[in-house]
Amino acid sequence: QKEVEQDPGPLSVPEGAIVSLNCTYSNSAFQYFMWYRQYSRKGPELLMYTYSSGNKEDGRFTAQVDKSSKYISLFIRDSQPSDSATYLCAMIPYNAGNNRKLIWGLGTSLAVNP
Amino acid sequence: NAGVMQNPRHLVRRRGQEARLRCSPMKGHSHVYWYRQLPEEGLKFMVYLQKENIIDESGMPKERFSAEFPKEGPSILRIQQVVRGDSAAYFCASHPGLAGGVGEQYFGPGTRLTVT
Repeated sequence: QKEVEQDPGPLSVPEGAIVSLNCTYSNSAFQYFMWYRQYSRKGPELLMYTYSSGNKEDGRFTAQVDKSSKYISLFIRDSQPSDSATYLCAMIPYNAGNNRKLIWGLGTSLAVNP
Repeated sequence: NAGVMQNPRHLVRRRGQEARLRCSPMKGHSHVYWYRQLPEEGLKFMVYLQKENIIDESGMPKERFSAEFPKEGPSILRIQQVVRGDSAAYFCASHPGLAGGVGEQYFGPGTRLTVT
C-alpha cells in the first residue's frame, strides 16, 4: 500500500464549479500537508500547506486536514480554465527534523472547461 | 530574482551512457532535494543534500546513481550506465535551510531524460 493515495482522475468540470480534490494517507507521523499545482512540462508549485489538523483558506482555495480519518482535501471555488493542471498532495513526517523531504500522492489531473 | 535552474531541460542518452543533471538553487539557498517523476508512479524523493554533505539518500537506487552538492557550483545528479527505466523527469528543489519554513521548497523546471 502506498503511503499517500490520490485518485489520478482525470476530473473534468465546467467553469465556475466547485472542485474537490482529496488524498488519504497511512502514516500517522505526517504533520505537514501540502498541495502543489503542476502545469504540463513544469515543476510543482506550492499552493498552500497546513500543519496538523484544521482548515486553511487562501482566496479561492481551501485546504482541510482530518487527521483522525487520515484524509485531506483541497477545494477550489469558482474554478477557472487557468486552474486546469495536475494537483498533487504531499506530506512531511513529524520526525523529519530539518529534513523536509516530501512524500507525494500520484496527482489528480483537472480540466476546467469554459 | 532567478529561481531554481536546471539544465539541460532535455537530455537524450543511449543505453549504457552517463547522464549528468545539474541544479542551481535559488540565491542564498544551501539545501537541495532531488525527486524523480515517472508517469505511473508520481514523484519520488531521491536525495537531500546540503553543501558538501549528503543528508538523506534513502530514495536513491543503490547502484549507478550518485549526487553531490559542492561548495561552489551546482548540485549534480549523476546516473551511470543508463537504462530505459531511468527515463523520467528529474526535479530539484532548493530550500534555504534552518532559516527557512516548511513551504520554502522551490522547484526547478525539471530535466527530462530519455534513454534510447
